[in-house]
Amino acid sequence: GQNIDQPTEMTATEGAIVQINCTYQTSGFNGLFWYQQHAGEAPTFLSYNVLDGLEEKGRFSSFLSRSKGYSYLLLKELQMKDSASYLCAVSQRGNAGKSTFGDGTTLTVKP
Amino acid sequence: IAGITQAPTSQILAAGRRMTLRCTQDMRHNAMYWYRQDLGLGLRLIHYSNTAGTTGKGEVPDGYSVSRANTDDFPLTLASAVPSQTSVYFCASSEEGSTDTQYFGPGTRLTVL
Repeated sequence: GQNIDQPTEMTATEGAIVQINCTYQTSGFNGLFWYQQHAGEAPTFLSYNVLDGLEEKGRFSSFLSRSKGYSYLLLKELQMKDSASYLCAVSQRGNAGKSTFGDGTTLTVKP
Repeated sequence: IAGITQAPTSQILAAGRRMTLRCTQDMRHNAMYWYRQDLGLGLRLIHYSNTAGTTGKGEVPDGYSVSRANTDDFPLTLASAVPSQTSVYFCASSEEGSTDTQYFGPGTRLTVL
């Protein structure tokens, strides 16, 4: 099986930087996804990390350490619209197309 | 291009009734998935299909069935609904499988009384 852990809730201030962590335990790890989900809406893709290191996409960056079973999503210059849930999901090799999702981190951005 | 659509948007259903949630994608993706999301929790995989004609069980398959007669459609059926199946249901698709980005439909909010 897989065990994916992320904080339930986080609060940050507009304009600040926030780091959302995700740890996982899995066999046959292939890659890790981050999705954003606004309240009442569907999840949307943010990033996918397969190799160790940091990948940057504008204000959002995602980091992966395969040896530590650890990833984080870094959000810079926070905006009110960044208030949402952030889901990490792990894909496994040979797992017949399935990804397993964590319970998500609800981020609240305050003025 | 619509992407991926689901119907109905929401539904209130009496326990014991049969219900089919519809999902259609026009991206010619091979893989499709059904998830349920309960309040405050992440997505739990119900069933999936890697290609037309094949399906597989996910994490919480009991009480649900699926079919994949063609590439575009992936309906989810509750044979006899129970209150514990009250949830938001998301359909998703990806080009091939787990290493590809999943694109989600808008969801169906189902209440079983």
